[in-house]
Amino acid sequence: DIQMTQSPSSLSAFVGDRVTITCRASQGISNHLAWFQQKQGKAPKSLIYAASSLRSGVPSRFSGSGSGTDFTLTISNLQPEDFATYYCQQYNSYPLTFGPGTKVDI
Amino acid sequence: EVQLVESGGGLIQPGGSLRLSCAASGFTVSSNYMSWVRQAPGKGLEWVSVLYSGGSTYYADSVEGRFTISRDNSKKTLYLQMNSLRAEDTAVYYCARVGSAWAFDYWGQGTLVTVSS
Repeated sequence: DIQMTQSPSSLSAFVGDRVTITCRASQGISNHLAWFQQKQGKAPKSLIYAASSLRSGVPSRFSGSGSGTDFTLTISNLQPEDFATYYCQQYNSYPLTFGPGTKVDI
Repeated sequence: EVQLVESGGGLIQPGGSLRLSCAASGFTVSSNYMSWVRQAPGKGLEWVSVLYSGGSTYYADSVEGRFTISRDNSKKTLYLQMNSLRAEDTAVYYCARVGSAWAFDYWGQGTLVTVSS
């Protein structure tokens, strides 16, 4: 199974900050990586697929990069509605696996 | 508009069975890969199962042999039959559509399954 790790596990930031979350796969997954945002008590929301492609309707302040084993999610100009938990997920092979999440709070 | 609405969750005793449903609208269930993902209370996301448009299925080791994913094309509904339930199966269960580039694009709101005596 491919193990996904994320760092940091949590961070505190201010509105307007630039935030970077790192995701690492235990083996190469090409660009088969997605990012999701989840707010407390809500379903996950898809943000990015194929490591760097933004889902329709997602603000351009979200961006993703990386390939192989190392990936990043960047939120520029952090907005109040961005405070949430972020998960990466590999879909290169089964079982599909998620990172443990990064909680972004004020 | 794509919508996924789960139902069927509840309180069930260990060893019992439950069937979850995911009603889809705005797209054709049979033409898409569909999946179930769960989240135990206070924990992260865990993939459970996938059903391909062609009918192939895959399961997480933790549910293999106990859970069965299926669909009813006429009812536009995805199912998850869960047997021999254990306390560790307690979670919110989400259905998700596999969209472009093989990644999840739409998620339902989830249904809570609690396995307890």
